[in-house]
Amino acid sequence: GENVEQHPSTLSVQEGDSAVIKCTYSDSASNYFPWYKQELGKGPQLIIDIRSNVGEKKDQRIAVTLNKTAKHFSLHITETQPEDSAVYFCAARLPGFQKLVFGTGTRLLVSP
Amino acid sequence: DTEVTQTPKHLVMGMTNKKSLKCEQHMGHRAMYWYKQKAKKPPELMFVYSYEKLSINESVPSRFSPECPNSSLLNLHLHALQPEDSALYLCASSQGKAGGPEQYFGPGTRLTVT
Repeated sequence: GENVEQHPSTLSVQEGDSAVIKCTYSDSASNYFPWYKQELGKGPQLIIDIRSNVGEKKDQRIAVTLNKTAKHFSLHITETQPEDSAVYFCAARLPGFQKLVFGTGTRLLVSP
Repeated sequence: DTEVTQTPKHLVMGMTNKKSLKCEQHMGHRAMYWYKQKAKKPPELMFVYSYEKLSINESVPSRFSPECPNSSLLNLHLHALQPEDSALYLCASSQGKAGGPEQYFGPGTRLTVT
């Protein structure tokens, strides 16, 4: 089955810096890669996703890149703000399956 | 609107109690999910309902019993739980197999089993 690894487990940056979180998946057939942000005491919030027919997607300060050859995808946050502090999860999904396989999460701390 | 609602927010129950968690969505989604999340871990899939039929059961113990009364509602009935079942229980929904794969989560129910 699919397996997703996520790094780093914690990331501390200064406000205004960029942050990058990386995930690697095992099954080359996976075709959908969402990113979730989970704030303390809340449910995961879908912030951006990418499909396997696209190499990059951007939404304001966040972007996701996908390298299908290397089976890597990454979340990029520019001009970080304290409200970006949260746990971020990547996930992967195989076509025809409803199950998302999650990475282990990255705790991002943005200091003012 | 991508809102999934869950009640109650918090629940404390003894090991002999019976309780239910409720989830509702009004996005016209035809797939609904129950996840369990322990502290500092990713969500772990428990059940998937697709078009009101149970399509995935991830070998969950029978003390957890899901129910999908209609396309907007999802329940999780709890009976004879163990302290290790204490966790955040999350509901999610998506369009279903014929639609987009995006899953939207509710805020969760924080369950404590004493």
